[in-house]
Amino acid sequence: LAKTTQPISMDSYEGQEVNITCSHNNIATNDYITWYQQFPSQGPRFIIQGYKTKVTNEVASLFIPADRKSSTLSLPRVSLSDTAVYYCLVGGHAGNNRKLIWGLGTSLAVNP
Amino acid sequence: SAVISQKPSRDICQRGTSLTIQCQVDSQVTMMFWYRQQPGQSLTLIATANQGSEATYESGFVIDKFPISRPNLTFSTLTVSNMSPEDSSIYLCSVQGQGREYFGPGTRLTVL
Repeated sequence: LAKTTQPISMDSYEGQEVNITCSHNNIATNDYITWYQQFPSQGPRFIIQGYKTKVTNEVASLFIPADRKSSTLSLPRVSLSDTAVYYCLVGGHAGNNRKLIWGLGTSLAVNP
Repeated sequence: SAVISQKPSRDICQRGTSLTIQCQVDSQVTMMFWYRQQPGQSLTLIATANQGSEATYESGFVIDKFPISRPNLTFSTLTVSNMSPEDSSIYLCSVQGQGREYFGPGTRLTVL
């Protein structure tokens, strides 16, 4: 199970783009990279997942360089409601029911 | 996707008592996961509950303290036994599907 490293906290302002980078130097060949968002008093919620290059959905983009040793979650034009903790996880995509290791995540504060 | 509900959403308990947390999923799943999230911390996996067999506990967690039931493919319970203030946490259940993890809303437990 690959370990991930993220900044503990970040601050931003409404309307800005926020980029959160995660390091995963020991990522395995079959590991995917998944990001979750957690609001206070709620369970984490899936945001985006990718294997390489760039993935985009309605809420975020995920940039993964060719060596896959890091990834960057990009949140366009954040609002106050994006204040949350963001977790980066790596693990096998195929075959559910695998144990995941959750780090401390990045606490994002969006200010008015 | 999976929709997960938990009961109770929160509780305040006295030291030495036990609390059973229920987790209901809207679809049949092979495995369910129970996590603990202490204040300001990340998620720690307690155990994996497989229907029809004993739960598998992670290091530092034992069945006598956290007995788990898994009577069918949509339901599980976690009991926190002989509680102490150190057990004050949010307890989350989750399932996996399509390469991602789905969480319940959590049970916030305060032990006095």
